[in-house]
Amino acid sequence: GAGVSQTPSNKVTEKGKYVELRCDPISGHTALYWYRQSLGQGPEFLIYFQGTGAADDSGLPNDRFFAVRPEGSVSTLKIQRTERGDSAVYLCASSLGGSSGNTIYFGEGSWLTVV
Amino acid sequence: SQQGEEDPQALSIQEGENATMNCSYKTSINNLQWYRQNSGRGLVHLILIRSNEREKHSGRLRVTLDTSKKSSSLLITASRAADTASYFCATDISGGYNKLIFGAGTRLAVHP
Repeated sequence: GAGVSQTPSNKVTEKGKYVELRCDPISGHTALYWYRQSLGQGPEFLIYFQGTGAADDSGLPNDRFFAVRPEGSVSTLKIQRTERGDSAVYLCASSLGGSSGNTIYFGEGSWLTVV
Repeated sequence: SQQGEEDPQALSIQEGENATMNCSYKTSINNLQWYRQNSGRGLVHLILIRSNEREKHSGRLRVTLDTSKKSSSLLITASRAADTASYFCATDISGGYNKLIFGAGTRLAVHP
């Protein structure tokens, strides 16, 4: 596709449920990033993939959060036992390579609401 | 945690006026980037300035960087109603892979 695609665009789930958020990066982009943005705040880094491997997962808040990118393209962010505090927009981004200074392209985000 | 702070938090101006937004940060950086966000959704990259650069221009945008003061500014000249959005600065603090730390943003409203 022309841009970074994220699905679903909106998700409402009950506290305690499991959620998966999908990201389809720009074709050919080896670097993929997940960020989380709470209302009124800037995005916060969660995890960075170079190819299939998670090169930096230091931003994942706890072990309920996990992300995969098994074939080096599509990535899935998985959240177990969701809590109300997980409500946020989850943004995926990709870039041609992981080098500092490569332009990062963001998707429109998946808005997660935990009730 | 957030690395940077934008100032002001909100800015309201008339079309044709210039808008200046400031960003301060705390640690050493590889580069600093400015992004725009409409309606709380996808971010759009505006401009990147490297740590060894002092000023950069792109169309109506002018960015300055002062590493001694750990601060940057974004100037939008001759603003338009379509410039209404939130603007974020983001610092790349990684060892070379675009790990961005964002500030809380400035909400700009441009009135016709």
